[in-house]
Amino acid sequence: GAVVSQHPSWVICKSGTSVKIECRSLDFQATTMFWYRQFPKQSLMLMATSNEGSKATYEQGVEKDKFLINHASLTLSTLTVTSAHPEDSSFYICSLGGRGRYEQYFGPGTRLTVT
Amino acid sequence: KQEVTQIPAALSVPEGENLVLNCSFTDSAIYNLQWFRQDPGKGLTSLLLIQSSQREQTSGRLNASLDKSSGRSTLYIAASQPGDSATYLCAVQTGANNLFFGTGTRLTVIP
Repeated sequence: GAVVSQHPSWVICKSGTSVKIECRSLDFQATTMFWYRQFPKQSLMLMATSNEGSKATYEQGVEKDKFLINHASLTLSTLTVTSAHPEDSSFYICSLGGRGRYEQYFGPGTRLTVT
Repeated sequence: KQEVTQIPAALSVPEGENLVLNCSFTDSAIYNLQWFRQDPGKGLTSLLLIQSSQREQTSGRLNASLDKSSGRSTLYIAASQPGDSATYLCAVQTGANNLFFGTGTRLTVIP
C-alpha cells in the first residue's frame, strides 16, 4: 500500500478563521485524492473528490466555497476550511486512489476543533 | 442510496473469546467490501477486502465473509486479545469514488 500523511494531526482554531489541512502521498503519485469527514459516533462521509490539475467534485450538501480543495501536484492535496464554525469541528481524513481500480489508502486524519 | 449498518454498536468481551461483528448493506450492486480498523483519533487500517465475486477472506485470526445477495458480511475474530480493542468499520464500494462506510462497532477486549 501507499503511505499517506496529514498535517496537522490536530488543530484548534477560533470561529471565523480559516485552517488548511494537508494530505501528502509519500511514496506514490496519486491522480485522485478523497476527503472524508467523520463526526463523533458517525461514519465517514465523503466530502469531495480531488483530481490533480482540475477542480474538485463535491458531494451533495458540501459547500465548495467553504471547503476549498487544491490538488496542485500528484503528491499533495489541501483542504481549507474557511470561516470555520464550531459545527465544522470534526475528524477530517484524506485518502488517495491506489494503483488498483478501487483501492484507497487512508491518511491518519486531522482533528479540527473550532472554538 | 447505499446504506451500511453495523451491529452491535459496541461490544465488550473477555480476552481469548471468539467474536463476530456484523455488517449489512441495502444495495447488493457492490464491487467489494472492506473491513477497516480505526484506533481512537487515528486513521484507518485496512484489514480485509472481499471482491464481489468472493465469499470470504482470511488474514491471521481474522475471517471475513460476504453474502452479496442478502447484503451481509461478518468479521470473525478468533482468540481475541486486548490489542484488538478498536473500532471496526465496514465499507462497501459501488464505484471508483463511491465508498460507503458503516458507523462502526467499538470493540473492547478485557484482559
